[in-house]
Amino acid sequence: GQQVKQSSPSLTVQEGGISILNCDYENDMFDYFAWYKKYPDNSPTLLISVRSNVDKREDGRLTVFLNKSGKHFSLHITASQPEDTAVYLCAAGALGTGSKLSFGKGAKLTVSP
Amino acid sequence: GPKVLQIPSHQIIDMGQMVTLNCDPVSNHLYFYWYKQILGQQMEFLVNFYNGKVMEKSKLFKDQFSVERPDGSYFTLKIQPTALEDSAVYFCASSMTGLDTLYFGAGTRLSVL
Repeated sequence: GQQVKQSSPSLTVQEGGISILNCDYENDMFDYFAWYKKYPDNSPTLLISVRSNVDKREDGRLTVFLNKSGKHFSLHITASQPEDTAVYLCAAGALGTGSKLSFGKGAKLTVSP
Repeated sequence: GPKVLQIPSHQIIDMGQMVTLNCDPVSNHLYFYWYKQILGQQMEFLVNFYNGKVMEKSKLFKDQFSVERPDGSYFTLKIQPTALEDSAVYFCASSMTGLDTLYFGAGTRLSVL
């Protein structure tokens, strides 16, 4: 079955607002969590990642929150900008398995001016 | 940043033919991957490759699939013979140490007719 799920396939946010993207996972062994950004016909690019020993990581406008008991992690983008418009893929995996990441289907974020 | 190049970007072939998808990974990376994405679905892990050997493969990696990286050149995915259900976008990725940043190519869209 699908090990990583993004329940909302799309999200629209006004410029300057906060974008929140969510991801649920099933495998208790996962200890690495990441968000990738993808433009059409382009490569998925790593935005931010966390290990399971922290429950929050900030990098500029991006923050990842990890809820291990709920098997859930999210990406918050503050001060959203039109150039943030893209597909966001969440991914999770277990250290020591050679980076066998499981991906969600992706969520299309549209930031309107 | 580092680039993974995939050639060609789109390949159309007849069912039963052989196809080779080429990937030029980041030059000093040691781990290589193929992922498959069927239209509307998530990217799914096919195989990873290190030190000239397959480390792990998923159930999607059928007997008709093979990977190699002869003499440090392209990392290739060969499908022989192809089937209709092989139609998908195939993403190549590489990383330095395993579960750190995966760098992806833009994908090769394979259409099997």
